[in-house]
Amino acid sequence: EAGVTQFPSHSVIEKGQTVTLRCDPISGHDNLYWYRRVMGKEIKFLLHFVKESKQDESGMPNNRFLAERTGGTYSTLKVQPAELEDSGVYFCASSQGGLAGVSYEQYFGPGTRLTVT
Amino acid sequence: AQKVTQAQTEISVVEKEDVTLDCVYETRDTTYYLFWYKQPPSGELVFLIRRNSFDEQNEISGRYSWNFQKSTSSFNFTITASQVVDSAVYFCALSELIQGAQKLVFGQGTRLTINP
Repeated sequence: EAGVTQFPSHSVIEKGQTVTLRCDPISGHDNLYWYRRVMGKEIKFLLHFVKESKQDESGMPNNRFLAERTGGTYSTLKVQPAELEDSGVYFCASSQGGLAGVSYEQYFGPGTRLTVT
Repeated sequence: AQKVTQAQTEISVVEKEDVTLDCVYETRDTTYYLFWYKQPPSGELVFLIRRNSFDEQNEISGRYSWNFQKSTSSFNFTITASQVVDSAVYFCALSELIQGAQKLVFGQGTRLTINP
C-alpha cells in the first residue's frame, strides 16, 4: 500500500511568487492534515480536511495560504504571494476516519521543503 | 492550551547504551491521545506509538518501551541497547478531540545520535 506522497520534494521561489504544494493521502483515508515546520521551531498544525470539507483551519497563518481538497482525494496548498517567513518544511498527513472520540494515528508524507528567497 | 515539552534538545550516546527521551504535556481535556514519531535523516515522520489517556499501561515493542504516567503528565520513551540506526529526531505529540478536530500538537523534538 502506497504511503502519503508529496510533490515537489523541494521548491525554491522568489518572494512574491506563487507556489502550489500537492499531497496524495493514503487511499481510503478521509482525514488529511497539513503541518509546517519553520527553521528551528516545532511542527505546527495548519489545517484538517475531512473528505473535501475543512474541519479545522485554525492554524492557517493568513489569507496568503489557500488549501483545497478536490473530491476528497488529493489536496493542494497554495501560497500566494510567498514571503520569506514562509520558508520551511510542509508536511501532509492522513488518517482513517471512524469512531467519534477516537484520534487515529496520522501517517506523514516526506514533506516539501520550501525556500523563499 | 495544549503544550508538549521535550526538554532534551540533543542526546548523544554510545551504541548499546540505554537512552530515555522525556516528554511532558499539558492539557485540560480528560480525553486525549499521545504519540511518538521518529524522523530519520530521510525526513519523513514515522509513526511509532499511540496511547489514549485512559490506558496507562506501559508498552514494550522490541527494544522500544514507553512509560505513560498521568500523575506527572509524562510519556517517556526508552530505547534499550541502542543501535546506530536509532539515530533520528524523535517527536512527542498530543492530540485533543475538540469538536471533532484531531490536530497534533508537537514537542520541539529530541535529536538522538547513537555513536558506534
